[in-house]
Amino acid sequence: NAGVMQNPRHLVRRRGQEARLRCSPMKGHSHVYWYRQLPEEGLKFMVYLQKENIIDESGMPKERFSAEFPKEGPSILRIQQVVRGDSAAYFCASSGVDQTQYFGPGTRLLVL
Amino acid sequence: EDQVTQSPEALRLQEGESSSLNCSYTVSGLRGLFWYRQDPGKGPEFLFTLYSAGEEKEKERLKATLTKKESFLHITAPKPEDSATYLCAVQATGGYQKVTFGTGTKLQVIP
Repeated sequence: NAGVMQNPRHLVRRRGQEARLRCSPMKGHSHVYWYRQLPEEGLKFMVYLQKENIIDESGMPKERFSAEFPKEGPSILRIQQVVRGDSAAYFCASSGVDQTQYFGPGTRLLVL
Repeated sequence: EDQVTQSPEALRLQEGESSSLNCSYTVSGLRGLFWYRQDPGKGPEFLFTLYSAGEEKEKERLKATLTKKESFLHITAPKPEDSATYLCAVQATGGYQKVTFGTGTKLQVIP
C-alpha cells in the first residue's frame, strides 16, 4: 500500500548545476502535481501533469524549470543552472479521478 | 483569483483545551475544500474534503465544518501529538481547477 514516493529526500547542489527530482504517484493515480514550499510559507502550485501531457504549468517559472511525466517511470521535475533562491522543499502529490491530492514526503533542495 | 486565509497563524493550547481554526475562502464556485495536517519535515497528510455548506466530517478529535464563506477545524480535548501545521485548501468548479492553499495554522499543544 505504497503512498506517493519522492527521491531523493535531500539534494545538495552548487550554483549552476542541475537538480532532478523524482516522483512516483500512488498506485492507480494518473495525475501528478508539483508544489514548492519555502520556510514559513504556504504551498505554491507549480505544474500539473497527466501521463505524457502537461495540463497546467502556470505556476512554473518560464526559465530553467521543466517537468515531465512519461508513459513509463516517475514524474521528473528538472531545474537547470540552480541558484540559491531555488532552495526549498519540493512536494509532489498525486490524485485519481476524484482529484483529492495525496502528498509525498518531499525533496529538500539546498543550493550552495 | 481564488484566495484562502487561515487564522490564527499560530495557536498554543494546553492539553485538553478545545479550540477552533478558521479558514476563510473566496472562490467563484466551490468544488471542494480540503484540510491537511503537516508535521515538520514531512509532506501534508490528507484529513478531510468538504463539498457543500452545512457538511461536517469527523476524525478522532478533529471535526471540520463548512459554510459558504469559511470552514472551521474544531479540535476537542487536544493532545500533544496533535501539534502540527494545519493547512486549508480550495478547488473551484469547472473541469480542471488548481488547488489553492492557505499558509496554515501552526498548532502547539502543551502537556
